[in-house]
Amino acid sequence: ELKVEQNPLFLSMQEGKNYTIYCNYSTTSDRLYWYRQDPGKSLESLFVLLSNGAVKQEGRLMASLDTKARLSTLHITAAVHDLSATYFCAVEPTMNYGGATNKLIFGTGTLLAVQP
Amino acid sequence: NAGVTQTPKFQVLKTGQSMTLQCAQDMNHEYMSWYRQDPGMGLRLIHYSVGAGITDQGEVPNGYNVSRSTTEDFPLRLLSAAPSQTSVYFCASSYSTGRSYMNEQFFGPGTRLTVL
Repeated sequence: ELKVEQNPLFLSMQEGKNYTIYCNYSTTSDRLYWYRQDPGKSLESLFVLLSNGAVKQEGRLMASLDTKARLSTLHITAAVHDLSATYFCAVEPTMNYGGATNKLIFGTGTLLAVQP
Repeated sequence: NAGVTQTPKFQVLKTGQSMTLQCAQDMNHEYMSWYRQDPGMGLRLIHYSVGAGITDQGEVPNGYNVSRSTTEDFPLRLLSAAPSQTSVYFCASSYSTGRSYMNEQFFGPGTRLTVL
């Protein structure tokens, strides 16, 4: 069974601190996506990681992908209150012959609360 | 562009009733999908389509039907609503399919459905 596991599920941190959210998955994939969701809102695309070793940065967020370890990380630098949200990773499994499955399997999300 | 639109925003049904959730996109995207979001479970794929006339099942298809007669529209039909279908439903679309494209999905605002 394909699993996408995020940890921690809940993260309370102080402004100015650094932390990392982890996303482990159990299938072959070199495509991973990070999304942000504010309470009661839809999902907003943050990062698209398309190959082993891919690293993307936007502001205080940096995402990376290690396909051999089946692991992606979302690193938060010097957190601010505006980053409070739920963060989801999503994996697009690869077919045996290398083709796309066109399906996204989501993790359960990490609720991030940044305290002043 | 309006992006991905969904109607209605809220809906209350009685057990056994049927209804259709509407989804439309004006970005000429090939790929469209439906997810449901339940607390603590992330998003789960219900059905998806890689183009007009082509649909396939996701993780949790039972109790739902879809069709894709045009590129723009991808309605989700609940045949006989059950309390277990109480959820938030998101429609998403992406530009293209296949290995040569990134499947970054853009989400609609969601429909909150309650089945009594």
